[in-house]
Amino acid sequence: KAGVTQTPRYLIKTRGQQVTLSCSPISGHRSVSWYQQTPGQGLQFLFEYFSETQRNKGNFPGRFSGRQFSNSRSEMNVSTLELGDSALYLCASSLGRGRAEAFFGQGTRLTVV
Amino acid sequence: AQRVTQPEKLLSVFKGAPVELKCNYSYSGSPELFWYVQYSRQRLQLLLRHISRESIKGFTADLNKGETSFHLKKPFAQEEDSAMYYCALVGSYKLIFGSGTRLLVRP
Repeated sequence: KAGVTQTPRYLIKTRGQQVTLSCSPISGHRSVSWYQQTPGQGLQFLFEYFSETQRNKGNFPGRFSGRQFSNSRSEMNVSTLELGDSALYLCASSLGRGRAEAFFGQGTRLTVV
Repeated sequence: AQRVTQPEKLLSVFKGAPVELKCNYSYSGSPELFWYVQYSRQRLQLLLRHISRESIKGFTADLNKGETSFHLKKPFAQEEDSAMYYCALVGSYKLIFGSGTRLLVRP
């Protein structure tokens, strides 16, 4: 079966702009999580959605937001981009029940200039 | 607080040598722990989960609740084991990752 797909793979944006990243989970998976990966901070949790409801949110400013659609696809949005938002953004999907295994996408590399 | 600590940023060994990647955790309750691996230019993928108690690619990891550790071990390292390894703890609808250890296996 197809894995987790993230688009686009690479993005270059200017400070102050906004960006939307997309994640298509594995078919049948209802949970989608987002993580930010940077050399300095490692992998940090952004938020998790299950059946269009946000169940948990990490310690990020309100500029970071997300949503999940009825087909389980998810988007995350970052407004008023800052240089420090440059990172690899990873999406993971799982069945969402119990402690099911999370499968990760290839990530979107965001560079803010 | 829920936390995962991987004390080594880099572990370099020769091929055929034993490997131990350290992971310590802080969690109140019964933890569930994973090891994820990221090979060069590949996505992050699950290597082991403690509840399955299986060996994958020769790697094993045992949960030691007394020492709050979940170290990853392999008796004989191979060059293809070179990768970034992350220990992760299941939190509330999220994974809490350690900072990762880069394993370099030299020929």
